[in-house]
This record gives sequence, structure tokens and C-alpha cells, in this order.
Amino acid sequence: KQEVTQIPAALSVPEGENLVLNCSFTDSAIYNLQWFRQDPGKGLTSLLLIQSSQREQTSGRLNASLDKSSGRSTLYIAASQPGDSATYLCAVAINAGKSTFGDGTTLTVKP
Amino acid sequence: GAVVSQHPSRVICKSGTSVKIECRSLDFQATTMFWYRQFPKQSLMLMATSNEGSKATYEQGVEKDKFLINHASLTLSTLTVTSAHPEDSSFYICSARTEETQYFGPGTRLLVL
Repeated sequence: KQEVTQIPAALSVPEGENLVLNCSFTDSAIYNLQWFRQDPGKGLTSLLLIQSSQREQTSGRLNASLDKSSGRSTLYIAASQPGDSATYLCAVAINAGKSTFGDGTTLTVKP
Repeated sequence: GAVVSQHPSRVICKSGTSVKIECRSLDFQATTMFWYRQFPKQSLMLMATSNEGSKATYEQGVEKDKFLINHASLTLSTLTVTSAHPEDSSFYICSARTEETQYFGPGTRLLVL
């Protein structure tokens, strides 16, 4: 059974700092890995999708990496802004369908 | 990217009533959809896999008679919470599968009084 762990559970940083969120998974036979953002009381916003054959994806200030052999993914956020404050979820799929989610990292960026 | 909608976005009901939540894939057909549930301050947990034209597959611990799933067409799956109780209050999110990945709906927040 796939298990997904996200560290840290919560993170508070001053505005402008670069930061890294971590996601680890137990079964390396994955189909893809997705990073989501969730604002309080809201649904999921997809940030980056990394296919099994890829090592990283970039979108603006966000960069996600994938190392299947070690069961790890990182989400790098450059020059953080208060608007980046949210919960970030990592989801690992073993096929094109169902995903296993981590518990999330709650990020607070202070002005 | 592909779009998945959910209706309603928010519902408040009395204990003992049934609530139906719709999940639609707006610009693609999905033979498989998924229903997830998220309790406050917890992550999303898969409840069931909805297959068009056949019975849903439920995850361990999810009561199939309480959470009725119908996937009558390639663009619509419904989740009915029967005889809802306060402990069923949660955030319900669906996703629809394509060949490449799955796309998530915006979620439905259910509050049972």
C-alpha cells in the first residue's frame, strides 16, 4: 500500500525567502506525482504534474523534482510571497487513476 | 486543461436527509471517476472508484449502502449520502480520469446539522 509523507507539516517564513517542501512515498512504481495548493475552505489547485519518466517540472516561481529511486519529490518555491500562504498537497498515482495524498504542508509567508 | 465541475458547491442539510452531489467532466468523457473525502485539517482519502455502466468499487471502511454512487453516463457521476448524520460533514471532491491523469473538481462542502 502506497504511503505518502510530507515534511514539514507547517512552515512559516518571511516574505522573499526561497523554500523547499518535501514529499516522500514508499512505493517507487508510480505513474505520476502531482503538487496541489489548497486555500482554507477551498478545493484543489493543480500546480505541477510530473510524469514517471520526468525528473522535474517548472512553472513560474515553482519547481518540482522527482526521484523515484529514493521515493522523494520536492517543491521549490522561489521568492515567496504572502499570497503563497496555503496548504500544499503532494499526490502520488500508481496509474492514471487513483491517487494517494500526503497530509500536506501548511505554509505561512509573513509580509 | 480538462475541466471537472461539481454541484452543489456547498450544502447544509438536516440529519437523516439524503444529499446528492454531482460530478461532471465538461470537455471530455471519463469512463472512470473517483470520489474523495476530506475531513477538517486532514488530507484527502479515496472513498470509491466510479465506473461508467457498472458498480462502483469502494475502499475499505467506506459503507457502500450509505454512499451511493451512480455513473450513468461518460460525463456524470453522482454521490448520494443517504440518511446523512453530523459525522458525514466533510469536503467531498471528485476527479475524472483521462488516459494521462486525473482532473479534480472544486469540491462540495457538506454540513449536516
